[in-house]
Amino acid sequence: SQTIHQWPATLVQPVGSPLSLECTVEGTSNPNLYWYRQAAGRGLQLLFYSVGIGQISSEVPQNLSASRPQDRQFILSSKKLLLSDSGFYLCARNREVGNTGELFFGEGSRLTVL
Amino acid sequence: RKEVEQDPGPFNVPEGATVAFNCTYSNSASQSFFWYRQDCRKEPKLLMSVYSSGNEDGRFTAQLNRASQYISLLIRDSKLSDSATYLCVVSGGSNYKLTFGKGTLLTVNP
Repeated sequence: SQTIHQWPATLVQPVGSPLSLECTVEGTSNPNLYWYRQAAGRGLQLLFYSVGIGQISSEVPQNLSASRPQDRQFILSSKKLLLSDSGFYLCARNREVGNTGELFFGEGSRLTVL
Repeated sequence: RKEVEQDPGPFNVPEGATVAFNCTYSNSASQSFFWYRQDCRKEPKLLMSVYSSGNEDGRFTAQLNRASQYISLLIRDSKLSDSATYLCVVSGGSNYKLTFGKGTLLTVNP
């Protein structure tokens, strides 16, 4: 997590409010970047991944979106939050050297929607 | 069949015990396999990769059986600090998307 920065760390938002979670990574250029969500009692769910600037793949239909405006910046957004959006959001990047599939995670953003 | 399925747990063991976790995966084309560790309210961290020949790192031994699509993790001489959730992780495909199991909670008691 030393090379992955996420903020905010914790937030409480009302239903229907917008959301923006930010992630920046250090290290080599053109990393693969990922957004995962971990809801209470559930496993990590892949939400989005990106292999380059402006390239976003969505894994699960939902009211969330992602953007990658810069090589080392990955943003998760929502226009209107739902109660079911509560969870622990984790940004991740692939291993810098040797594409072995390992991921390294940021410290996460814990979202509670009320 | 779920993509990655783990023992439901939780496991409660005394210090010094040996504990084994099992995991099965459904995609026979999966290429890479890992065990991650996640402490309470923290991010997952890589514990070890799993190789076809099996591999060991101190008290931890991981094994892979591709024919049975089965992965295991053995922890010997458990320590209090081993208490955590252990996640079985599988990747496949050129974009290296990882699929995580739900995890197994281990508590090592004094």
